[in-house]
Amino acid sequence: AQTVTQSQPEMSVQEAETVTLSCTYDTSESDYYLFWYKQPPSRQMILVIRQEAYKQQNATENRFSVNFQKAAKSFSLKISDSQLGDAAMYFCACLNYGGSQGNLIFGKGTKLSVKP
Amino acid sequence: SQTIHQWPATLVQPVGSPLSLECTVEGTSNPNLYWYRQAAGRGLQLLFYSVGIGQISSEVPQNLSASRPQDRQFILSSKKLLLSDSGFYLCAWSTAYNEQFFGPGTRLTVL
Repeated sequence: AQTVTQSQPEMSVQEAETVTLSCTYDTSESDYYLFWYKQPPSRQMILVIRQEAYKQQNATENRFSVNFQKAAKSFSLKISDSQLGDAAMYFCACLNYGGSQGNLIFGKGTKLSVKP
Repeated sequence: SQTIHQWPATLVQPVGSPLSLECTVEGTSNPNLYWYRQAAGRGLQLLFYSVGIGQISSEVPQNLSASRPQDRQFILSSKKLLLSDSGFYLCAWSTAYNEQFFGPGTRLTVL
């Protein structure tokens, strides 16, 4: 069965500094997508960044970047120049091609606090 | 641009009462639609997904059901709510094999 593991239930970072959130996944598929979603206190899920497994280049989106290690099945999120508005739950998710129609498998989340 | 709506935003219901949560998507055609539940402090659990009108797949057996009467409308229902149905319910849409976009959610409290 496909699984996504986030081993850090909570993380804390000082404003303007950098933090890395960890994620590992397990899938038997060769083609898949990986995502990081942010859930602020409003609880709406917001897509932060996506990575196609066939791409070797790590995705970046402004202050957010990933370190995708396909052989290790690792997909960490780096947030640079952390801002107070980055405080939220962050969920890692995996989407397989084939199988159920586009079903995302989520990790349990990491709660990020940003200290001023 | 595409938008997704959910209502109501908040709902408090007694045990044994019926439930109807609605989700609608604008700005896209024939989307895949999803219902998730999120218990307090936990990740998301997929409840139902739909790839077309009248096509519903259930991921978790329980006393909830889903329907898709129109292309961009997805409804989550229950005939009799249980205490364990309390949670945050999120609707999402996607095109096939792409990222999902989520609605604002409904907070359901069953007393």
